[in-house]
Amino acid sequence: DIQMTQSPSSLSASVGDRVTITCRASQGISNSLAWFQQKPGKAPKSLIYAASSLQSGVPSKFSGSGSGTDFTLTISSLQPEDFATYYCQQYNSYPLTFGQGTKLQIK
Amino acid sequence: QVQLVESGGGVVQPGRSLRLSCAASGFTFSNYGLHWVRQAPGKGLEWVAVISYDGNNKWYADSVQGRFSISRDNSKNTLYLQMSSLRPEDTALYYCARDDSVWTGYPSNIFDYWGQGTLVTVSS
Repeated sequence: DIQMTQSPSSLSASVGDRVTITCRASQGISNSLAWFQQKPGKAPKSLIYAASSLQSGVPSKFSGSGSGTDFTLTISSLQPEDFATYYCQQYNSYPLTFGQGTKLQIK
Repeated sequence: QVQLVESGGGVVQPGRSLRLSCAASGFTFSNYGLHWVRQAPGKGLEWVAVISYDGNNKWYADSVQGRFSISRDNSKNTLYLQMSSLRPEDTALYYCARDDSVWTGYPSNIFDYWGQGTLVTVSS
């Protein structure tokens, strides 16, 4: 199975900041990488697929990059609604696997 | 708009069975692959299974292989997850999610829409 490792596990930031979350795959996955946002008590929301393509309706403040084993999610100009847990997921091969999550908290 | 509504969760004893349903609306159900993803309380996301648009192809996580079965009824716009030999570690919120691929026996495995989930608790 492909292991997905996110860093950091938690992150404190202020409104208006720009933050970056990293996701590393245990083996190369090309660009078969997605990012999700989950708020407490809510279902995950799909943000990005193919490492850098935004899902429909997702604001351009979210951006993704990377290929192979190393990926990043960047969120610019943080707003209160952006504080949530973020997950990466590889879909290069079965079983599909997720990172452990990064909790983004208000400083 | 796309809606996925899960149901069928509840409290069940270890070793027993349970069937989850996911009712879909707002899109042509029979065109899309569908997934089940679960989340144990306070934990991260775990993919469970996927089924192709026509039901002919299915893939499972090792942790549920042989115990869970994914199926669909395109005439009822409903996805199912039949769970048997349930274990305490199966306790989780179970989400259905739509695959963004259309009319392909090999799902893209890109999730675009998610339901709100149904809670399964396995406990004696």
